[in-house]
Amino acid sequence: KNQVEQSPQSLIILEGKNCTLQCNYTVSPFSNLRWYKQDTGRGPVSLTIMTFSENTKSNGRYTATLDADTKQSSLHITASQLSDSASYICVVRSGTYKYIFGTGTRLKVLA
Amino acid sequence: DTGVSQDPRHKITKRGQNVTFRCDPISEHNRLYWYRQTLGQGPEFLTYFQNEAQLEKSRLLSDRFSAERPKGSFSTLEIQRTEQGDSAMYLCASSLGDRGWNSPLHFGNGTRLTVT
Repeated sequence: KNQVEQSPQSLIILEGKNCTLQCNYTVSPFSNLRWYKQDTGRGPVSLTIMTFSENTKSNGRYTATLDADTKQSSLHITASQLSDSASYICVVRSGTYKYIFGTGTRLKVLA
Repeated sequence: DTGVSQDPRHKITKRGQNVTFRCDPISEHNRLYWYRQTLGQGPEFLTYFQNEAQLEKSRLLSDRFSAERPKGSFSTLEIQRTEQGDSAMYLCASSLGDRGWNSPLHFGNGTRLTVT
């Protein structure tokens, strides 16, 4: 069964600190993996995409990694800001049009 | 704004009533998805259109749910005889499909349904 699991479920950090969110997947066939940020009451917004051949990709303070052998991805947030408080969802695209969603990690950044 | 637009943003209805939601995707996107999201969960797939054709519908979806995408443009999702368990955020997303293999899903801000 195709699955995407994320950890931790929730996380609280102080402003300015770094954090890392984890995503493990068992999805076949694998096309790509994308991290989304979802603010409360809004739709998810894409942060970064990882394809099979990519190991690391950065988007500002966000850095995503992918290990296709172990089927793991991480999202590292550097120097967190209050506006980073949101849910972060790992999504694996399978084939041409299927998307498998994780349940997300809820991040709270405190001043 | 050329993003995905959903209407209404909020809907409160009584159990047993029918509701209809609308989604206007990004104009050049040929693929359109409907998802349902409950608190603390990721989006759950409901149905998928390529142009005007509905190519897949979740087996979890009862026959009270129906979706259309006439002319391959906007889409509607109708829920008949609503139940309290239907209370959720309904998200619409669109994408470029095969022309943009790595193009992302673009989500609307959803319609929050509350069934009383």
